[in-house]
Amino acid sequence: GAVVSQHPSWVICKSGTSVKIECRSLDFQATTMFWYRQFPKQSLMLMATSNEGSKATYEQGVEKDKFLINHASLTLSTLTVTSAHPEDSSFYICSERVRETQYFGPGTRLLVL
Amino acid sequence: GESVGLHLPTLSVQEGDNSIINCAYSNSASDYFIWYKQESGKGPQFIIDIRSNMDKRQGQRVTVLLNKTVKHLSLQIAATQPGDSAVYFCAENDPEYGNKLVFGAGTILRVKS
Repeated sequence: GAVVSQHPSWVICKSGTSVKIECRSLDFQATTMFWYRQFPKQSLMLMATSNEGSKATYEQGVEKDKFLINHASLTLSTLTVTSAHPEDSSFYICSERVRETQYFGPGTRLLVL
Repeated sequence: GESVGLHLPTLSVQEGDNSIINCAYSNSASDYFIWYKQESGKGPQFIIDIRSNMDKRQGQRVTVLLNKTVKHLSLQIAATQPGDSAVYFCAENDPEYGNKLVFGAGTILRVKS
């Protein structure tokens, strides 16, 4: 399967600041990557689809100005949580699609104080 | 197409026994299915997949069964080990949802030694 990395693995920030999370594909060129968030004891919720060289596609109810996605290269997609608030605290996970299968990164735990 | 957050059901099994984790999927048009294992604080890990033109697929110690008539998917783990303890998610590739994965609610597997 594909190898996906995320950085940072853990971040704590103050309310009102912005946080950038990086997702890298280490062994495939990923034209499509996905961003999910996961609350404790819940399933994964798709936030957006990140397309290399074009705008991301956001799921219904996800604010695109709040969660900025950039996919400038075939190996890197970034998610920026702007003006973070405590309710944005969550586990953010990216994945890349290789043919039909999605392979996930290790996740980033965000805690907003 | 999003999965809804729910309290996860739990399956407790004795070490060495076989485990069966079940999943009901939502769309009869879904053509591809994946089982993922997620350990605490980590991203989902691909276990096994199956296409809709098959009803059974075997891997190492794992078997996936697909019953399209009742839209049911199961994951069988043989000789369950403590390292199998995790949350297990099924996911369906839904062509009517832009070929994005739709995740089930998840099942917690606890292996008792």
